[in-house]
Amino acid sequence: QITLKESGPTLVKPTQTLTLTCTLSGFSLSTSGMGVGWIRQPPGKALEWLALIYWDDDSRYRPSLKSRLTITKDTSKNQVVLTLTNIDPVDTATYYCARSITTVRGVMNFDYWGQGTLVTVSS
Amino acid sequence: QSALTQPASVSGSPGQSITISCTGTSSDVGAYNFVSWYQQHPGKAPKLMIYDVSNRPSGVSNRFSGSKSGNTASLTISGLQAEDEADYYCGSYTSSATPVFGGGTKLTVL
Repeated sequence: QITLKESGPTLVKPTQTLTLTCTLSGFSLSTSGMGVGWIRQPPGKALEWLALIYWDDDSRYRPSLKSRLTITKDTSKNQVVLTLTNIDPVDTATYYCARSITTVRGVMNFDYWGQGTLVTVSS
Repeated sequence: QSALTQPASVSGSPGQSITISCTGTSSDVGAYNFVSWYQQHPGKAPKLMIYDVSNRPSGVSNRFSGSKSGNTASLTISGLQAEDEADYYCGSYTSSATPVFGGGTKLTVL
């Protein structure tokens, strides 16, 4: 059974760094073609793709947030970690991680999703 | 990287067919056959319904179909059912080798 689960703080103060962890089960990110991405959704708003990382450590970032985002993986722990620096109230959102299998880097075919975790940015 | 354009809302009666459009540019939807569609019920994670323009993942009803013409992709739902009421998002690969989502469409089953 394939599952993904997000974890991290629910409340973050402005200017701090947000670190979220996605724990994978039922598949390995070391498998060729495998990717894991992060997507967020502000309350009542649309989905926003943030970042993708692939089995070979190749990564992609949302252009407008590239300077603030870092995505890494720990294959031995079956985890993918997203960090977002200098956080602001506009970053308040539900953050999802999801699996993507594709031969083309940057294509998002997110077939399995985590349940999401709501992060609120407030002082 | 601008979001793809979707209608804010569409509606239909049970049994009818509806189509949701997703308009991009020649740098995303128009350039590649990498358009996906997601269904999201309130409070739930999105679900992949269509990938690579017109392919359905295993387990997705054949009432859902996808197509593309020029810079516009479309999701058609036939035989509309109450359970289809949800938000729908399109996504596309772009010339930046990154993906982009649409703004989302709320489907109401009357």
